[in-house]
Amino acid sequence: QSVLTQPPSASGTPGQRVTISCSGSSSNIGSNTLNWYQQLPGAAPKLLIYNNDQRPSGLPDRFSGSMSGTSASLAISGLQSEDEADYYCAAWDDSLKGVVFGGGTKLTVL
Amino acid sequence: EVQLVESGGGLVQPGGSLKLSCAASGFIFSGSAMHWVRQASGKGLEWVGRIRSKTNSYATAYAESLKGRFTISRDDSKSTAYLQMNSLKTDDTAVYYCTRPRTTTPWDDAFDIWGQGTMVTVSS
Repeated sequence: QSVLTQPPSASGTPGQRVTISCSGSSSNIGSNTLNWYQQLPGAAPKLLIYNNDQRPSGLPDRFSGSMSGTSASLAISGLQSEDEADYYCAAWDDSLKGVVFGGGTKLTVL
Repeated sequence: EVQLVESGGGLVQPGGSLKLSCAASGFIFSGSAMHWVRQASGKGLEWVGRIRSKTNSYATAYAESLKGRFTISRDDSKSTAYLQMNSLKTDDTAVYYCTRPRTTTPWDDAFDIWGQGTMVTVSS
């Protein structure tokens, strides 16, 4: 069981907007910045969002991150078939003194 | 090109040891912390541990469940990080990735560069 909780799956049709949630606690999301990663099948993870809501250069603004208390969300607008991947949230945990990941959300584009 | 290349994976018996390497290029390796993350087949990502730069005393940190068995080290002259794994268990079977934080800030844990991963199989 992961320290950060994500829904195991999400889905949407092309062009739709989907959100993926990530729930934690005061020792991780509540006190440290959150990052999101995208992992395409058979590939290494890719940084999608850092410091809660910042996009790496070159990343389309279809991807956005937000935070509220001990929860965070990743939003993907204008859904495309190439967005079909696993998405992970991650943050430092002050109690565990390490990085904790969510269990991952498999996004399916219908 | 900024790149991380892992090597050293393979098949090892339970109770055995293995040392993984992560060769870096295209950036100033000595100034960067290096982390290891693993992923069992069909499972999620699990942080293994990290080593900071010389400026930050080469401080290491490990996932609680791995403390005492895994050791991370680095050789800045070779731009290489290492993961020494001892007393391996079948549960350690996974793809092992090395990864680098975006910045040289000691507490940065946003990983922007990842290796391709190296497979470790623990089986008799």
